[in-house]
Amino acid sequence: SQKIEQNSEALNIQEGKTATLTCNYTNYSPAYLQWYRQDPGRGPVFLLLIRENEKEKRKERLKVTFDTTLKQSLFHITASQPADSATYLCSANSGYALNFGKGTSLLVTP
Amino acid sequence: DAGITQSPRHKVTETGTPVTLRCHQTENHRYMYWYRQDPGHGLRLIHYSYGVKDTDKGEVSDGYSVSRSKTEDFLLTLESATSSQTSVYFCAIREGGDTGELFFGEGSRLTVL
Repeated sequence: SQKIEQNSEALNIQEGKTATLTCNYTNYSPAYLQWYRQDPGRGPVFLLLIRENEKEKRKERLKVTFDTTLKQSLFHITASQPADSATYLCSANSGYALNFGKGTSLLVTP
Repeated sequence: DAGITQSPRHKVTETGTPVTLRCHQTENHRYMYWYRQDPGHGLRLIHYSYGVKDTDKGEVSDGYSVSRSKTEDFLLTLESATSSQTSVYFCAIREGGDTGELFFGEGSRLTVL
């Protein structure tokens, strides 16, 4: 069956460091991946999209990579801030459907 | 910003009763989605729609049905609610084209006693 796996352990880092979150997928050949941020009690909010023919995408302090050989995406937040603390969700398309991983919780401490 | 509203936002019901959740959008988007979110399981797709009267199943569709008789409304129905369907339900619309981002509603918290 199709799976999207993200680090289940929460990631704790110090302010100013780079946070790196991992997303691995199996039994998938997604045309694109999307990353979302979710705060407690709220719906997910879109951050970045990367297509299968793109190796890297950047937006301000965010960077995402897509390695179709490893079947993996890495999501980086540089110069992290306490306001970046949230759960980050990776998603992959299957046709018109968009399926999500369980998310990784990020805590940035001052 | 996409206009998307879910109703009701909170509902408590008893096992065996029917429940309908409504998702309403104001901007004529083609694709609409229903997800449920549970601790330890993340966000799971129930059903989605790619046009009026065009729907398809997601990974956790058992026990749920949907209808989309007009562009702006996507209804999720639990014919006979069970305690395992206690969850937070999110509706989403897809903005832009076929690969566009999803824009989520605020969620509907359903408790089945």
